[in-house]
Amino acid sequence: KAGVTQTPRYLIKTRGQQVTLSCSPISGHRSVSWYQQTPGQGLQFLFEYFSETQRNKGNFPGRFSGRQFSNSRSEMNVSTLELGDSALYLCASSLAQGARYNEQFFGPGTRLTVL
Amino acid sequence: AQSVTQLGSHVSVSEGALVLLRCNYSSSVPPYLFWYVQYPNQGLQLLLKYTTGATLVKGINGFEAEFKKSETSFHLTKPSAHMSDAAEYFCAVNLNNDMRFGAGTRLTVKP
Repeated sequence: KAGVTQTPRYLIKTRGQQVTLSCSPISGHRSVSWYQQTPGQGLQFLFEYFSETQRNKGNFPGRFSGRQFSNSRSEMNVSTLELGDSALYLCASSLAQGARYNEQFFGPGTRLTVL
Repeated sequence: AQSVTQLGSHVSVSEGALVLLRCNYSSSVPPYLFWYVQYPNQGLQLLLKYTTGATLVKGINGFEAEFKKSETSFHLTKPSAHMSDAAEYFCAVNLNNDMRFGAGTRLTVKP
């Protein structure tokens, strides 16, 4: 069974631009969560999507948004990029909504660098 | 609000020595608890999890963790470290679908 895939793996953008990251969950998984990982803040939860609806949201500004398609694939978008948005963005999928006890399977991440 | 604290951002052990990575959580009720490992340039991989039942949980790669409610701890151990265990380890708690990760502990294994 193929794992979680994220594209692109690496991305370089400049301040003020916008970026879209893509995540394809494991086949059959309906929940997709996004995390931002930085050396200073660690792993921070961005949002979770289940059945094309955002179910949970972390404490990030409105510049961070996402969506999920009917095939469970998800995208996240960051508009008006700032230097502080440079991070590893991780996507995780699980069978059902919430990660209470459902194992989350993580993708390799997209490394975003903002210049 | 719940939070998770990992004591020690860096831990160094010799090959064959005991590995002990500490995790404490703060929550009014016992949450679900997880340990993940992250190798360089990779995503996180689940090592083990505690939901309910037996408080000693065995995971992959010889790791295990014990949930101690009285100490609000979920420390990760492995009897004998291997070079391949060098990675970053994250403790995580989930309560009511709110997933929080610790800051991580980087494990170095010396030959």
